[in-house]
Amino acid sequence: GAVVSQHPSRVICKSGTSVKIECRSLDFQATTMFWYRQFPKQSLMLMATSNEGSKATYEQGVEKDKFLINHASLTLSTLTVTSAHPEDSSFYICSAIPTGGWSNQPQHFGDGTRLSIL
Amino acid sequence: TQLLEQSPQFLSIQEGENLTVYCNSSSVFSSLQWYRQEPGEGPVLLVTVVTGGEVKKLKRLTFQFGDARKDSSLHITAAQPGDTGLYLCAGAEGYGGSQGNLIFGKGTKLSVKP
Repeated sequence: GAVVSQHPSRVICKSGTSVKIECRSLDFQATTMFWYRQFPKQSLMLMATSNEGSKATYEQGVEKDKFLINHASLTLSTLTVTSAHPEDSSFYICSAIPTGGWSNQPQHFGDGTRLSIL
Repeated sequence: TQLLEQSPQFLSIQEGENLTVYCNSSSVFSSLQWYRQEPGEGPVLLVTVVTGGEVKKLKRLTFQFGDARKDSSLHITAAQPGDTGLYLCAGAEGYGGSQGNLIFGKGTKLSVKP
């Protein structure tokens, strides 16, 4: 149980392109999802917290106009990297917490999306 | 801002050796999670520790949460090549019904050679 599906797994595109990444909770509902970015040989850095039906909360230094987050349903959050540039190339990972249940439930992670901007 | 210091950052050992990875913080966490991540994949949860002093075992892996809930350790006994990977600790903020953020350590890249 608690499977999170992330799509696509890999994207290669030209500079200036906008890229949408989907994060789905397959067998549970998730009011809250998280988006992380991971650069090579580094740990996960939280970008934003996505809340169903409301605006996302962005971490300091993350441009909300560049990284658009939409959490329109209890099973889907999307991250759109707008006008992507080579410095946006990274490994993007989402996670989700099942709605309800006990307070210290762990986050369940997707398999990540490798974004390469040429 | 809570920080989680993880050490060592890199560890290369021979099959059969034991090892310990540490996560330390000056802050208290409501829970702490250990993940393992393979290259090109998302982290996979190994264990969650909640209670101060808690010890959990998962086959050859032993996880401990400090009494004050500020630190944790992962001990692997008789490491095998299949244990190779990136191990991440993550502390959870928030209590009760709050679904808090995770603060990740920088990870320990473990390589077990046959």
